[in-house]
Amino acid sequence: NAGVTQTPKFRVLKTGQSMTLLCAQDMNHEYMYWYRQDPGMGLRLIHYSVGEGTTAKGEVPDGYNVSRLKKQNFLLGLESAAPSQTSVYFCASSYRTSGPDFGPGTRLTVT
Amino acid sequence: KQEVTQIPAALSVPEGENLVLNCSFTDSAIYNLQWFRQDPGKGLTSLLLIQSSQREQTSGRLNASLDKSSGRSTLYIAASQPGDSATYLCGVAGGTSGTYKYIFGTGTRLKVLA
Repeated sequence: NAGVTQTPKFRVLKTGQSMTLLCAQDMNHEYMYWYRQDPGMGLRLIHYSVGEGTTAKGEVPDGYNVSRLKKQNFLLGLESAAPSQTSVYFCASSYRTSGPDFGPGTRLTVT
Repeated sequence: KQEVTQIPAALSVPEGENLVLNCSFTDSAIYNLQWFRQDPGKGLTSLLLIQSSQREQTSGRLNASLDKSSGRSTLYIAASQPGDSATYLCGVAGGTSGTYKYIFGTGTRLKVLA
C-alpha cells in the first residue's frame, strides 16, 4: 500500500515550458486535490476532483489544468510556466467522510 | 466562501508548557475538520480528525475541540516538548455550497525551547 505518490519530486523549468505532475493513490479514494504551498501562505487549493472524469476549480486555478481519467490518478498541467508558479505542490486524496492523505510534494522552480 | 484563519501565526514557548492553537472558519456547515503537523521541508502528517457531529478528539498529549456554531476549533498540546516544534495546519471540509473540498489556514509555527 503506497498511499499517495507524486512524480516528479523535483523539477526546474524555464519560463514558457510545459509540464505535467502526476499524482497516484491506491486507496480507492473518491476525492483528489492539488494544492500549492508558498512561504507564509499555507496550502491553497488549485483544483480538485470528486470522482473519475470530474474536476472543479479551487482557490487559485489560473494557469493550471487538471484531468482525472482514472480514479487512481490526478494530473496537474502547467501549459506555459511562469516564475510565479515556483512553489511546492502537494497532492492529496480522501473518502467523502475522511480527512485527506497527502503525498510527499513536488518542488517546482521556474526560472 | 469558506475562509480559515489560524491564530497566532507563530508561537514560542518553554518546554513543559501547555498551549492552545486556534482555528476559526467562516462557514459553519462543515463535514469535518482536521489538524495536521508539518516539519520544515516535509509533507503533512495527520494529527486529529473531528467529524461535524463530534465535539472533540484526543490522541496522547493532543486534544482537539470543535464548536461548529461559533466556527472555532482549538488544538491543545499538553506538556510541550522540543519535538513538538513544527507548523500546525487546520483544514476544513465543506460549507454551505455542499462541496467536499478541503480549505486550509496559513498555519501556526510553533517553537518549543529546551
